[in-house]
Amino acid sequence: EVQLLESGGGLVQPGGSLRLSCAASGFTFNSYGMNWVRQAPGKGLEWVSAVSAGRGSTFYADSVKGRFTISRDNSKNTLYLQMNSLRAEDTAVYYCAKDQTGTTAFDIWGQGTMVTVSS
Amino acid sequence: EIVMTQSPATLSVSPGERATLSCRASQSVRSTLAWYQQKPGQAPRLLISGASTRATGVPARFSGSGSGTEFTLTVSSLQSEDFAVYYCQQYQNWPLTFGGGTKVEIK
Repeated sequence: EVQLLESGGGLVQPGGSLRLSCAASGFTFNSYGMNWVRQAPGKGLEWVSAVSAGRGSTFYADSVKGRFTISRDNSKNTLYLQMNSLRAEDTAVYYCAKDQTGTTAFDIWGQGTMVTVSS
Repeated sequence: EIVMTQSPATLSVSPGERATLSCRASQSVRSTLAWYQQKPGQAPRLLISGASTRATGVPARFSGSGSGTEFTLTVSSLQSEDFAVYYCQQYQNWPLTFGGGTKVEIK
């Protein structure tokens, strides 16, 4: 079964850091681009970051550029999101999502992990 | 950044009726457009990619059309499990962007 399982969310103070992980199974992880998408409480979806399959090129939303770093460990089938200098507006459920073959539509999603930035 | 605008924000439909959802891009995205369904407390689910290609396991009552800047998702006969929020997403350019969503509710 194709599956993505996020972990690492929690409560953090403004200015703090957190690292999210996404464990992948059931597919050839190193063959697919991977993404992080977030959803603030009661709001819509916001794409956050992507890492490509091959060269590991990375892409970021302007709202997180310079603060968040996406990475992947293909030997562990795991995607990461290092989040620094967190702000209240980063509070959201964070989903990892797999690229569909040949597109940057997201065909597999994890269940999400909640990040709350508050003092 | 390509801005995606969905309309209406809320659509009230009776079970068995047709629902038509719209998505507009601020510039052409050709056919690089996806539709997702999200139910409360769940992750989104891919319905359509390439503007009109149903994802695996998606019922035939869901159809997508359009290209360039104007897109439509049609649900031909709404079932109880179809009441949800629907999002469009473009993947033509970075950053990838989503529309604000359309909530399909029971009339």
